[in-house]
Amino acid sequence: ELKVEQNPLFLSMQEGKNYTIYCNYSTTSDRLYWYRQDPGKSLESLFVLLSNGAVKQEGRLMASLDTKARLSTLHITAAVHDLSATYFCAVDSTRQGGSEKLVFGKGTKLTVNP
Amino acid sequence: KAGVTQTPRYLIKTRGQQVTLSCSPISGHRSVSWYQQTPGQGLQFLFEYFSETQRNKGNFPGRFSGRQFSNSRSEMNVSTLELGDSALYLCASSGRGQNTGELFFGEGSRLTVL
Repeated sequence: ELKVEQNPLFLSMQEGKNYTIYCNYSTTSDRLYWYRQDPGKSLESLFVLLSNGAVKQEGRLMASLDTKARLSTLHITAAVHDLSATYFCAVDSTRQGGSEKLVFGKGTKLTVNP
Repeated sequence: KAGVTQTPRYLIKTRGQQVTLSCSPISGHRSVSWYQQTPGQGLQFLFEYFSETQRNKGNFPGRFSGRQFSNSRSEMNVSTLELGDSALYLCASSGRGQNTGELFFGEGSRLTVL
């Protein structure tokens, strides 16, 4: 059974600082997704990583995927308050006939303080 | 284009009742998935439908059921509600043509069971 672990689960950081969120998963998969959730809101897709070595960047966020290590990272550069949210990684657990079933990590609640 | 629409957004039920939640996917998307989100268990996969067929099912009791209509709209039903069914139920759709497995989530239906 696929397990997805994120760490840290809670992250409090100052504006302007850098930090990395880690996402480890237990079985082979080459599809990994990062989502953002604001309080009381739905999930917003941030990055789709579909192959080993994939790197995607959007603004102050950069995501990467190492399928051999079963590890993805979400790097935050020069954090700003607007990045405060909960970030989830999710791994595609099945490729049967294209069926899509994601297993999510517990989420990392990020708070950026002035 | 319009996003994923879920109704109702909020509802309160009592134990033993049943509930039906509705989801309209993004136009052109034929895959609809359902997830349950709770503070304790996080995001858990319920089921996925494609072309009116259930392609995948999560580890939930038979009280949880769903269906998809010919226009790709989907409903999920929970019978004999229990307190532990209180959760945010998220529907997501994906387009087969994109082949990335990226899910687009609706705002969710927040169910409270008293």
